[in-house]
Amino acid sequence: DAKTTQPPSMDCAEGRAANLPCNHSTISGNEYVYWYRQIHSQGPQYIIHGLKNNETNEMASLIITEDRKSSTLILPHATLRDTAVYYCIVRALARGGANSKLTFGKGITLSVRP
Amino acid sequence: KAGVTQTPRYLIKTRGQQVTLSCSPISGHRSVSWYQQTPGQGLQFLFEYFSETQRNKGNFPGRFSGRQFSNSRSEMNVSTLELGDSALYLCASSSDRGLETQYFGPGTRLLVL
Repeated sequence: DAKTTQPPSMDCAEGRAANLPCNHSTISGNEYVYWYRQIHSQGPQYIIHGLKNNETNEMASLIITEDRKSSTLILPHATLRDTAVYYCIVRALARGGANSKLTFGKGITLSVRP
Repeated sequence: KAGVTQTPRYLIKTRGQQVTLSCSPISGHRSVSWYQQTPGQGLQFLFEYFSETQRNKGNFPGRFSGRQFSNSRSEMNVSTLELGDSALYLCASSSDRGLETQYFGPGTRLLVL
């Protein structure tokens, strides 16, 4: 799987949009971009994923650049409960049809301040 | 739907012992993956089971093993525990093979003394 690069941390004010960047310059055409987050000591929570089109759900929006070498996760109105480590993962179908594993990096720690 | 459940949530063992952790996937999900999370190594993939067969395996020693039952519930076993096995063990389930979204349980925190 291609690797991703994320800054180690960022913060934003409560109520403002949080824009979390991710670089995946070696991504292949069949690889998806996934975002998970992990609130302290809990299991990772799925947020959103996409291939090349922008995606939006009730939690967030995912903006993927046209060349697919980077993406941005947007939390439109961050709350204190959004404080967590956010992981950007690039994932492709594994050989033999197995469920493709998730390769986690260090992620980005988002701190939402009051 | 109920989420992924893992038991026990906390466990303390001593070196040399063995441990079995259990994971019940979301109803209808047939794929179960296991991950280990430590402060030093982060989240690492252990193995994945689908229809009672191991489909994928990470780079862990043979002391780490798993199995899946016909009802999709899965167990993982660690034999001859070492101090370095202290970690949060996470289970994730998905509905089928391929790129289905994986949903994680709360994890089992294992402390080896």
